[in-house]
Amino acid sequence: AQSVTQLDSQVPVFEEAPVELRCNYSSSVSVYLFWYVQYPNQGLQLLLKYLSGSTLVKGINGFEAEFNKSQTSFHLRKPSVHISDTAEYFCAVSGDTGRRALTFGSGTRLQVQP
Amino acid sequence: DTEVTQTPKHLVMGMTNKKSLKCEQHMGHRAMYWYKQKAKKPPELMFVYSYEKLSINESVPSRFSPECPNSSLLNLHLHALQPEDSALYLCASSQVAAGALLYGYTFGSGTRLTVV
Repeated sequence: AQSVTQLDSQVPVFEEAPVELRCNYSSSVSVYLFWYVQYPNQGLQLLLKYLSGSTLVKGINGFEAEFNKSQTSFHLRKPSVHISDTAEYFCAVSGDTGRRALTFGSGTRLQVQP
Repeated sequence: DTEVTQTPKHLVMGMTNKKSLKCEQHMGHRAMYWYKQKAKKPPELMFVYSYEKLSINESVPSRFSPECPNSSLLNLHLHALQPEDSALYLCASSQVAAGALLYGYTFGSGTRLTVV
């Protein structure tokens, strides 16, 4: 079985500062990793995904993430955040076991302050 | 069309009512999902349909009854719900490739359900 752990439930940061949201996964098989964002009262939007290949993945809205197999991590980064980035961010994993569904982490609330 | 459309957006129902949630996509995706999300929690998988057949039921109580009448439509029928079933119900879809996993999930904006 696979799982993800998001170590930080909340991350406060000032506008235009860099941010890193941490995600660690555990799986006995190959994994596919995703980051989703959820704005208040909305569904989830895909930010980026890692399936294979280059370990540095670029997504929408200036976000990027790096897959690190040795550290079983998939941290999300942005060099300069905006107020509009305030949202809940979920890391998710889908393992190559035929289980065609996502397992989500507990989420990290990014709070961007002026 | 790159969207998953869920209706209604909000639903208030009594514990004796019967209601249905609807989800529709026209992206040619052959896998569709229902997730339940309580406040300040991650989405939890309820059901997975693959090629219009139920492939995963995460031990969901029978008061929730899914239905996939065709490849574009997914319903969730609700009956005799409890107040603790109040949550955001999210529908999602994805491609299904033979021998491979999905390449991304498209989520709807959800139905916010309140059971009174």
